[in-house]
Amino acid sequence: AQKVTQAQTEISVVEKEDVTLDCVYETRDTTYYLFWYKQPPSGELVFLIRRNSFDEQNEISGRYSWNFQKSTSSFNFTITASQVVDSAVYFCALSEAGGGADGLTFGKGTHLIIQP
Amino acid sequence: NAGVTQTPKFRILKIGQSMTLQCTQDMNHNYMYWYRQDPGMGLKLIYYSVGAGITDKGEVPNGYNVSRSTTEDFPLRLELAAPSQTSVYFCASSYDQGAGNTIYFGEGSWLTVV
Repeated sequence: AQKVTQAQTEISVVEKEDVTLDCVYETRDTTYYLFWYKQPPSGELVFLIRRNSFDEQNEISGRYSWNFQKSTSSFNFTITASQVVDSAVYFCALSEAGGGADGLTFGKGTHLIIQP
Repeated sequence: NAGVTQTPKFRILKIGQSMTLQCTQDMNHNYMYWYRQDPGMGLKLIYYSVGAGITDKGEVPNGYNVSRSTTEDFPLRLELAAPSQTSVYFCASSYDQGAGNTIYFGEGSWLTVV
């Protein structure tokens, strides 16, 4: 069965620090997809990134970067030079290609607090 | 740019009451989903639909019902509200099969059962 673990329940850093959110996943499929979503205090879920299991290239988008390592089943998310607006709950999620149409398996989320 | 729209945003129900959470999407997506989010937990799938007229149970379907009469709409019904159903509910949609396709979420509905 698929599973996503976000071991960090809450992280608090001072603005401008770099911070990494960890995500470890379990799946028996060879084809799968990993996602990160952001949930700001207003409550909506904002899609950040999707990565398939055949693409281990790291990705950078502005201050955001993602490190995908199949060898350790991890898909970590780093925010560089954090800002107060980055404060949110961040969810890592997994979808298996052979798992039918039943959506995503989410981790429990990491609450990121950026202090000014 | 409406995307996924769900209503109401907030609702307080008494135990035993019934209500329907409405969800509509304007992206012509085939797949729609209902999730619930409990404090400190990730989202759990309640029901999903792969197209009009087709629905299926997710991980936590008990106490809920859904229907999908059109591509756009996917309402979630609570028949006999219980305190355990106090949660935040998210409707979502994707164009094709969930795996690999980005799932877009509505803004959430906060439901309290007292």
